Amino acid sequence: GENVEQHPSTLSVQEGDSAVIKCTYSDSASNYFPWYKQELGKGPQLIIDIRSNVGEKKDQRIAVTLNKTAKHFSLHITETQPEDSAVYFCAASRSSNYQLIWGAGTKLIIKP
Amino acid sequence: DTAVSQTPKYLVTQMGNDKSIKCEQNLGHDTMYWYKQDSKKFLKIMFSYNNKELIINETVPNRFSPKSPDKAHLNLHINSLELGDSAVYFCASGGATNEKLFFGSGTQLSVL
Repeated sequence: GENVEQHPSTLSVQEGDSAVIKCTYSDSASNYFPWYKQELGKGPQLIIDIRSNVGEKKDQRIAVTLNKTAKHFSLHITETQPEDSAVYFCAASRSSNYQLIWGAGTKLIIKP
Repeated sequence: DTAVSQTPKYLVTQMGNDKSIKCEQNLGHDTMYWYKQDSKKFLKIMFSYNNKELIINETVPNRFSPKSPDKAHLNLHINSLELGDSAVYFCASGGATNEKLFFGSGTQLSVL
């Protein structure tokens, strides 16, 4: 069946540095790719998403890139801050059923 | 106002008991979900309801029974609780395309 692989499982970066989380999807019909952030004790929250007709999308310090040929997409966080510490999930879906296939999550640790 | 609210936040109970978790959304969404998050943070969809009708029912023991009295509510009833049911359960709701999900803050279930 369809799956989404996410790497790394844990990422530790120095405050102020950049962080990159990568996901690979198997279903070539996938056309929607969201990223969710889950802070401790809370539910996941959508932070950015991208559709297959776009290669890159930015929102302040976060950006997502998509390579449809290679079937992978990445989350980039620049100038990391302590509040960026959380678990990040990627997901993929196709417009025919809108069912999200989730990555396993990446725990991002920002070191002061 | 909280968009997706679920109660209780914490639930500690003995094996063999029956318990319920309630969820309500005030976003006017047609679709609601239950997800299970295990200790490794993996998110697994359990059920999806669209306008009070079940549309996704993943491989979940029939001890788990969702109930949707109206499209703003989706409750989860669990019979004969087992140790392996210990996890965090998240309710979520989705808009017209169900792509962007809004999650509740989770219910941490501990079965002793």
